[in-house]
Amino acid sequence: DQQVKQNSPSLSVQEGRISILNCDYTNSMFDYFLWYKKYPAEGPTFLISISSIKDKNEDGRFTVFLNKSAKHLSLHIVPSQPGDSAVYFCAASGGSGGSYIPTFGRGTSLIVHP
Amino acid sequence: SAVISQKPSRDICQRGTSLTIQCQVDSQVTMMFWYRQQPGQSLTLIATANQGSEATYESGFVIDKFPISRPNLTFSTLTVSNMSPEDSSIYLCSGGAGVGDTQYFGPGTRLTVL
Repeated sequence: DQQVKQNSPSLSVQEGRISILNCDYTNSMFDYFLWYKKYPAEGPTFLISISSIKDKNEDGRFTVFLNKSAKHLSLHIVPSQPGDSAVYFCAASGGSGGSYIPTFGRGTSLIVHP
Repeated sequence: SAVISQKPSRDICQRGTSLTIQCQVDSQVTMMFWYRQQPGQSLTLIATANQGSEATYESGFVIDKFPISRPNLTFSTLTVSNMSPEDSSIYLCSGGAGVGDTQYFGPGTRLTVL
């Protein structure tokens, strides 16, 4: 039973346009959400996070939106660049009474075409 | 942040043998974890490596198959024992400073079992 779901295994976007990666979760105990980026032959690297007390967090070209009522979060990359081509993992962890160890989705492979 | 190295980076092994993967962190981290990523799957937590005591295993993973050591705060090993082709996967080590902290990942060890 997947608690963190990334339903799109892949996404293709033109350079300069917006990339939107989606993530859904089922566990209401999750209160901290993270996005990781992974290049081939490398480990995942932390990209951006958001706490459940916020609905938006922005860092440069990357913005994460959280909709708690829908148990949905999304990562927006604007403008997309070819170097953004990677696999993006959504992860979630729980607060008091929940586990602090993140649960990961299966990842979405983003390809940004020049 | 923490820089995490793993070795070997990849290996091809025969069925029935064992492989030990080493993980080194450049700074002291409170938490260290071992993950597995099978093709097309999410990162699955194998266990939490505890300094000086037995690791805490997730459901579906047992010490006899995946013995783990963590003699100090910056080093851990994972052994994949009595390997079968189903153990072919990428094994990742990660570390973090504490509860809710961002995890940093090693580059992974790609294991192929023939």
